[in-house]
Amino acid sequence: GAGVSQSPSNKVTEKGKDVELRCDPISGHTALYWYRQSLGQGLEFLIYFQGNSAPDKSGLPSDRFSAERTGGSVSTLTIQRTQQEDSAVYLCASSLAGTGSGGYTFGSGTRLTVV
Amino acid sequence: SQQGEEDPQALSIQEGENATMNCSYKTSINNLQWYRQNSGRGLVHLILIRSNEREKHSGRLRVTLDTSKKSSSLLITASRAADTASYFCATDAISGAGKLTFGQGTILTVHP
Repeated sequence: GAGVSQSPSNKVTEKGKDVELRCDPISGHTALYWYRQSLGQGLEFLIYFQGNSAPDKSGLPSDRFSAERTGGSVSTLTIQRTQQEDSAVYLCASSLAGTGSGGYTFGSGTRLTVV
Repeated sequence: SQQGEEDPQALSIQEGENATMNCSYKTSINNLQWYRQNSGRGLVHLILIRSNEREKHSGRLRVTLDTSKKSSSLLITASRAADTASYFCATDAISGAGKLTFGQGTILTVHP
């Protein structure tokens, strides 16, 4: 597609439920990133996929968070047993081949609210 | 702590004035990038400056980089109400393993 697509755009879930957030990057972009942004804050790195390499999971805040990228394209971020502190905007970005290739292209994000 | 720290946290100016935002960082970098965010959603890439560059221009944007001071500035000239947004610097640290680290951002408000 023309841009990075994220779905759903908004998600309200009950505490303790699992959620799946989807990211469809720009075709041909080998790098895919997940960040989250709490209200009025900067972006917190979560996970990074680059080609066929093992993902960099160093930013995942707990073992309730996981992500996969199938076929080098679409990525799914899963949060199990959601907690209220998981409420944030989850942003996905892709780039051609890492950070030196002209910057990231971001999706519009998924606003997650845990009630 | 965040690699990039923006200053000021908030800036309010009148249309036509220039806006300057600063970013400081801690470690050696490959490049530094500036992004803009409207309404708390996706960020838009504005400009990238490499570690061996000192200044870069794009339209009304001017970015400087001082690697000796580990700082950068973003200047928006002749601001418009439509420039109202949050602006973030992001660093591609040499030790960063290929991912960007973002600062907390500067909220710019341009009054018509």
